[in-house]
Amino acid sequence: GAGVSQSPSNKVTEKGKDVELRCDPISGHTALYWYRQSLGQGLEFLIYFQGNSAPDKSGLPSDRFSAERTGGSVSTLTIQRTQQEDSAVYLCASSLGPGDTQYFGPGTRLTVL
Amino acid sequence: SQQGEEDPQALSIQEGENATMNCSYKTSINNLQWYRQNSGRGLVHLILIRSNEREKHSGRLRVTLDTSKKSSSLLITASRAADTASYFCLWGAQKLVFGQGTRLTINP
Repeated sequence: GAGVSQSPSNKVTEKGKDVELRCDPISGHTALYWYRQSLGQGLEFLIYFQGNSAPDKSGLPSDRFSAERTGGSVSTLTIQRTQQEDSAVYLCASSLGPGDTQYFGPGTRLTVL
Repeated sequence: SQQGEEDPQALSIQEGENATMNCSYKTSINNLQWYRQNSGRGLVHLILIRSNEREKHSGRLRVTLDTSKKSSSLLITASRAADTASYFCLWGAQKLVFGQGTRLTINP
């Protein structure tokens, strides 16, 4: 079956612009995660959605970052007024339920000039 | 920080040798998972070990879990060049945390 997909695969933007990154999880997966990975670094947790519960936003680095998940499926991560330090690969994952195996998308490489 | 540690940070071995990576975590867990990442993009799930398990095998992979020491190890036996990648552990209960990862290089 189809895995997790993300779009775009690459995004180059200018400092100060807003960007939207999209994640399509595996159908039927109730949990969805966003992570960020800077060059050569580990994965930094950003936000977690579980079913209809309020999302865990504890990993969002600033109020310029927000995410939503519509209809319990597709999720969009929005970064407003991008900064150069936002440059990273943004990874999305979904799992059947909390704590289950996470299946990752290929990521979106964001470059802020 | 709640982030655990993985060691070593980098490991370089000859093809055919065994590779061992360790993960230390900080909170209680329901399970611990190991992932592989090639070329800095998507991660691939390798193995999940539950908190009531002590050892698990999958092909050339062997994972151990010691909840008293809050640590896990991943052993790759008879390593191959294709095993070259970064390996991450993922642990937690309500909130999941990734370790910093071990960069493994298998030299032909």
